[in-house]
Amino acid sequence: SQQGEEDPQALSIQEGENATMNCSYKTSINNLQWYRQNSGRGLVHLILIRSNEREKHSGRLRVTLDTSKKSSSLLITASRAADTASYFCATAKRNAGNMLTFGGGTRLMVKP
Amino acid sequence: EAEVAQSPRYKITEKSQAVAFWCDPISGHATLYWYRQILGQGPELLVQFQDESVVDDSQLPKDRFSAERLKGVDSTLKIQPAELGDSAMYLCASSPQGELGTEAFFGQGTRLTVV
Repeated sequence: SQQGEEDPQALSIQEGENATMNCSYKTSINNLQWYRQNSGRGLVHLILIRSNEREKHSGRLRVTLDTSKKSSSLLITASRAADTASYFCATAKRNAGNMLTFGGGTRLMVKP
Repeated sequence: EAEVAQSPRYKITEKSQAVAFWCDPISGHATLYWYRQILGQGPELLVQFQDESVVDDSQLPKDRFSAERLKGVDSTLKIQPAELGDSAMYLCASSPQGELGTEAFFGQGTRLTVV
């Protein structure tokens, strides 16, 4: 079973444009994380936002968290062809040993 | 730079055979995860360890899958017998201890093909 659901499932944009991906989840969490995966490889951690935070930035990444709506968004600004990958949100479940479960992912293609 | 080590990278096995995967987490990481990822889908948590104890294994098909982390360091995931539907990428990850949760570091995975 998967805790989160990403939207859209696939996104295709031109280089230089911004990419926005959304994640919804179901239970109470301690934190929400975003990961990136290049085809056939392991996942790489991008950013972690705690349940008491509303927004966080890291380079060209901006993450927001709305715990009342149980949703998060990841914004990648000024996208590059090298950003082409799958992006997953993951939630650390509260009162469950921070059980870390993933959504189905958004497949991002950035065209040069 | 410390990494999560997994072996083998690739495994082809016949259905009904036994198969095992090994994971060595980053030194000092208390939490270890095993995930199964089917192509085009997100990782599905199979089992999560805190040191040598199981935190969650509710999605582990216990009739054929087993996982252990005997000394709270490295871990083995076993499938016996393997079925065609087990073909997937098996990912191991580890994270340092943190009351409110911390980032997970992933290995490169083991790609299993059952024929």
